[in-house]
Amino acid sequence: EDQVTQSPEALRLQEGESSSLNCSYTVSGLRGLFWYRQDPGKGPEFLFTLYSAGEEKEKERLKATLTKKESFLHITAPKPEDSATYLCAVAGTASKLTFGTGTRLQVTL
Amino acid sequence: ETGVTQTPRHLVMGMTNKKSLKCEQHLGHNAMYWYKQSAKKPLELMFVYSLEERVENNSVPSRFSPECPNSSHLFLHLHTLQPEDSALYLCASSRATGGHEKLFFGSGTQLSVL
Repeated sequence: EDQVTQSPEALRLQEGESSSLNCSYTVSGLRGLFWYRQDPGKGPEFLFTLYSAGEEKEKERLKATLTKKESFLHITAPKPEDSATYLCAVAGTASKLTFGTGTRLQVTL
Repeated sequence: ETGVTQTPRHLVMGMTNKKSLKCEQHLGHNAMYWYKQSAKKPLELMFVYSLEERVENNSVPSRFSPECPNSSHLFLHLHTLQPEDSALYLCASSRATGGHEKLFFGSGTQLSVL
């Protein structure tokens, strides 16, 4: 059974204080690892898909990386508008998407 | 605006009521999904439709009844719900099914069962 574990559960940063969110996974035949952002009262919004170990993708202050066991979402010099819950999900050969419970990020001034 | 619209945004219902959640996507996608999101739990897939045909039903109680009249519309009919069914219900769409497709989510319906 595919599994996704995200850590930490919650993270509080000051504006400009860079950090990383972790997504550890076990999956049978990785077909894709996804990162989504979810703001309060809204549905998740797609950020990145990573397909193989060593792959990296960037968008503004966010950079996602992938190894065979985990993915990191690096946040460089975050701003208050980066505050959200970040969800990780994996799709394996069973074509089923398995989500983690998310990391709740708060960025303060 | 994600291209996926859900109504209503909030719903309070008694255990004996019957209500329906509605989802509409304007993205030309062929697959639509219902997910349940409860506090501190992962998103839970409930139903998957591909071109109006149900392709997955993840052991969801029969008090939840989906309907997909066409590839743009999806409903979730609710009856005789339990308090533990209180959650955020999210609709999503994708170009195709397969798990590896990126999903476009609506804003959800926050359901409270009294």
